[in-house]
Order: sequence, then structure tokens, then C-alpha cells
Amino acid sequence: ILNVEQSPQSLHVQEGDSTNFTCSFPSSNFYALHWYRWETAKSPEALFVMTLNGDEKKKGRISATLNTKEGYSYLYIKGSQPEDSATYLCALPLGNQGGKLIFGQGTELSVKP
Amino acid sequence: GAVVSQHPSRVICKSGTSVKIECRSLDFQATTMFWYRQFPKQSLMLMATSNEGSKATYEQGVEKDKFLINHASLTLSTLTVTSAHPEDSSFYICSARQGQGYGYTFGSGTRLTVV
Repeated sequence: ILNVEQSPQSLHVQEGDSTNFTCSFPSSNFYALHWYRWETAKSPEALFVMTLNGDEKKKGRISATLNTKEGYSYLYIKGSQPEDSATYLCALPLGNQGGKLIFGQGTELSVKP
Repeated sequence: GAVVSQHPSRVICKSGTSVKIECRSLDFQATTMFWYRQFPKQSLMLMATSNEGSKATYEQGVEKDKFLINHASLTLSTLTVTSAHPEDSSFYICSARQGQGYGYTFGSGTRLTVV
């Protein structure tokens, strides 16, 4: 069983604050890690797919790092804006065929103006 | 970019009736469709995986006769909740994939309430 944990469950920050949250996973049999951004009433939007230990990826003010040896990934948001308010999901494929994704519970971010 | 249209977004039905949820890939061929369910404060849980033209593979604990999945074409997959009961009230969401090496494209989900 692949157990994916995200913390915190929810986060409230002020506009302009930088923030980060964590996705933890078993370090054995790692294949890839996906980060999604999910706004209410919309489809989850793919942010990053990370595969290599030490990977760092960036998309605008959002970046992510990956440590497969210790089993965690961090998602950072620099200078949070109200439009960043969403639930951020991480997911890992079960097996190396990239089929089923196992999701964490998500981190719900609320950015107040 | 790839888009999956999921309908309806919300549905309320009476206990004992059936409800059909549709997912259509608008600009790509969805070789594989994944159906997830999410209960409040929990993570998305995979219910079943279907490949176009084949029978769906259900996860342990998911009743195949209750949750009927049809994936007869490369652009349409449906999930029918048969004889729905209040405990089936949940959020259902599909995710489509063109094939290995491609990303996952999600629908926007369906909130089902059974009264």
C-alpha cells in the first residue's frame, strides 16, 4: 500500500506571504511525483511532475523540490496572491507503468487580501 | 491543452434511482480513464480504471455491479451509479490519459447527493 501524506491540511496566509507545504511518501519503489493545483468547481491542474532525487522545478512564483531518499517533496509559493487560493494535491503512481495515481489528502491554501 | 468535460457538475437523486456521469475528452483520445471518489476531508480514492473497448478494472471494495463503467469510445466514458443510496453521496471525478508517457487530464467533478 502506498501511503501519501500531505501537511498541513489547511493554511491561511496574508497576501504577500511566502508559504510552503509538504508531501511525504515511502522512499522505496519511487517512480514519480505529481503536484496539482485544484480550484473549487474546476479541474485539477497539473503543476509539476518530478522524477529525480534533487529535482527542483519552477512555474512563476511556485516551485517544488524532491527528496526521494527521505521521501518528501516541498511546494513553495513566493509572495502569495489571493488567486493562489486552492487545494494543492500531490500524487504518486502505483508502479512504474504510470497508471493509477495515489493521492494525498491535499493542502487547502487560503490567501487573504 | 487537453480538456475533459464532465457532466453533470451536481445531481440530486432519489434513493433507488440510477445516475449517469459522463466524461468526454474534447481534443485528445482518452485511451485510459480513471474514476475517483472523494468523501469529505479525505483524499481522492481510485474506484476503477477502464481502457477503451475493455471491461473496467475495479479497486478492492468497489462493487462493479453498482458502479457501471462504460468506455466504448476513445472520447467518452460513463459511470452509472445504480440503485443509489444515501451512502453513495460523494464527489466523483474522472481522469483521462492518452497513454503511457502522457499526463493526466481531470474532469471538474460531479457532486452526487442521494436523498
